[in-house]
Amino acid sequence: EDQVTQSPEALRLQEGESSSLNCSYTVSGLRGLFWYRQDPGKGPEFLFTLYSAGEEKEKERLKATLTKKESFLHITAPKPEDSATYLCAVQTNAGGTSYGKLTFGQGTILTVHP
Amino acid sequence: EAGVTQFPSHSVIEKGQTVTLRCDPISGHDNLYWYRRVMGKEIKFLLHFVKESKQDESGMPNNRFLAERTGGTYSTLKVQPAELEDSGVYFCASSFRQGPYTGELFFGEGSRLTVL
Repeated sequence: EDQVTQSPEALRLQEGESSSLNCSYTVSGLRGLFWYRQDPGKGPEFLFTLYSAGEEKEKERLKATLTKKESFLHITAPKPEDSATYLCAVQTNAGGTSYGKLTFGQGTILTVHP
Repeated sequence: EAGVTQFPSHSVIEKGQTVTLRCDPISGHDNLYWYRRVMGKEIKFLLHFVKESKQDESGMPNNRFLAERTGGTYSTLKVQPAELEDSGVYFCASSFRQGPYTGELFFGEGSRLTVL
């Protein structure tokens, strides 16, 4: 069974204090790894997709990287508006032709204080 | 362009009652997914429609859950009869493309279901 584990469960940072979130996975045949951001009372919002080890994607203060066992979401000089829950999800061969069938981790709650 | 919309945003019902959740995907999106997040757990896949056909319903918990997508447009998810463990947030998501190297889903804001 595909498993996705995110750490830490919660992270508190001061504005400008860079850090990283971790997503480790155990799957049978990774097709893609996704990062989503979720604000309270909202649905997940797509950030990145990574498809192969060594791949990196960047968006503003966020940078996602992928290895064969885990992914990191690096946050550089965060601002209070970066506060949200960050979700990691995998798309695997077990999904068959349902390419949007994702296995999610429990998420990391990020709080950035001014 | 309107996003994925879900109704109701919150429903409170008694155990044994019936609830129907509705999802309107982004116009032109053939792929529609239902997910659920139970308190303290991760978001989990329920099922996938391609147009009006069920592509994968392996995540449906039991036969008290019935999903339909008439005409390949909006979808409904009916829970009958509801049990306490059905409480959670039900998310709908849609996507246009289908195939390898796709998978970006557009999520609605969710329907929170509370069963008392």
